[in-house]
Amino acid sequence: AQKVTQAQTEISVVEKEDVTLDCVYETRDTTYYLFWYKQPPSGELVFLIRRNSFDEQNEISGRYSWNFQKSTSSFNFTITASQVVDSAVYFCALSNNAGNNRKLIWGLGTSLAVNP
Amino acid sequence: DAGVTQSPTHLIKTRGQQVTLRCSPISGHKSVSWYQQVLGQGPQFIFQYYEKEERGRGNFPDRFSARQFPNYSSELNVNALLLGDSALYLCASSKTGTNTGELFFGEGSRLTVL
Repeated sequence: AQKVTQAQTEISVVEKEDVTLDCVYETRDTTYYLFWYKQPPSGELVFLIRRNSFDEQNEISGRYSWNFQKSTSSFNFTITASQVVDSAVYFCALSNNAGNNRKLIWGLGTSLAVNP
Repeated sequence: DAGVTQSPTHLIKTRGQQVTLRCSPISGHKSVSWYQQVLGQGPQFIFQYYEKEERGRGNFPDRFSARQFPNYSSELNVNALLLGDSALYLCASSKTGTNTGELFFGEGSRLTVL
């Protein structure tokens, strides 16, 4: 069965601290995609990154970085020098390519609070 | 360019009623997906439509139905509402019918069933 686990329900940090959000996934597919989305209080999910299963290179985008490790089935997300605007719920998701049921499987999310 | 738009943004219904939620995708996007997000949980997949055909269906009862129109907009209908249907309903559009690309989400329709 395919599954995404975000063990951290809530994280609270002080501004400028670094914070890592964990994501562990389970899949039998050899080809799959992993995603991170941000959900601010407005409710709209905002795409952050997509990674395919054949690309294990880490990626950095400004203060954001992602560490993809197939050996541990993890796709962790780090925010460096966090800011109050980073406060949101962050979701990790996994593509499901079973037949015609094309959907994303989502974790429960990690609520990040960055305090001034 | 306009993003994904959903209407209504908020609505309150009573048990047993029916509701229709609407979604307009980003111009040029042919795929629309619907997700249900209960408070404190991740989105749960309901339907995906691509080129007006159903491409996927999640584990929801037959009270849930949807369709996509020739202009690629979509409606989600829920009949015989239950208290447990209270949730944020999210619509997402994408250029293709696969699930490997970026999804663009609207701000959702928050449904409260009393």
